Amino acid sequence: NAGVTQTPKFQVLKTGQSMTLQCAQDMNHNSMYWYRQDPGMGLRLIYYSASEGTTDKGEVPNGYNVSRLNKREFSLRLESAAPSQTSVYFCASSERGGGGNTEAFFGQGTRLTVV
Amino acid sequence: AQSVTQLGSHVSVSEGALVLLRCNYSSSVPPYLFWYVQYPNQGLQLLLKYTSAATLVKGINGFEAEFKKSETSFHLTKPSAHMSDAAEYFCATYTGRRALTFGSGTRLQVQP
Repeated sequence: NAGVTQTPKFQVLKTGQSMTLQCAQDMNHNSMYWYRQDPGMGLRLIYYSASEGTTDKGEVPNGYNVSRLNKREFSLRLESAAPSQTSVYFCASSERGGGGNTEAFFGQGTRLTVV
Repeated sequence: AQSVTQLGSHVSVSEGALVLLRCNYSSSVPPYLFWYVQYPNQGLQLLLKYTSAATLVKGINGFEAEFKKSETSFHLTKPSAHMSDAAEYFCATYTGRRALTFGSGTRLQVQP
């Protein structure tokens, strides 16, 4: 049972390079999320998708774009990476449109370093 | 602004001692609260969740949390710490954005 799968697990980028973080879930969940985790700051929401075909900005969307390719996949793109985007990125999904007592399931994370 | 606040970024206990990790929520949040655990180099997994059915919630690995409306708290406890409990713990709730909002986390260290 794969759950939420993120690729790659590790990545080093040079400033200005672009890349896409991939996320796929096999639980038929409607909602998907991208978070970044930085020391002492918990997890901060970058973007989320309440359902297929919709995306919304979270707390820290600047410098990122997302695509909800289909119900399973939700990708995060860095168009021009900056050192401030060095972080651990987590993708998550939940069953319904989020909210209430809906549990979110997390991937294993992508550790990104921008030099 | 976050809707949940975790007091104490680091907590250290001895093996066998009581674990108490603190979480306070803002009174405006819906009464759905979660505790997640993150083991080193892993993703987050759910420990327990409060859904207003009962104020004392039991989770996995012997953890439990009590919802106290009068104190706007949802503290996580475990009677006897084990070395395997060393991890980072996050309190969370849903906000109007319909996505989980997390506290800043508490790293639990268990001393032998």
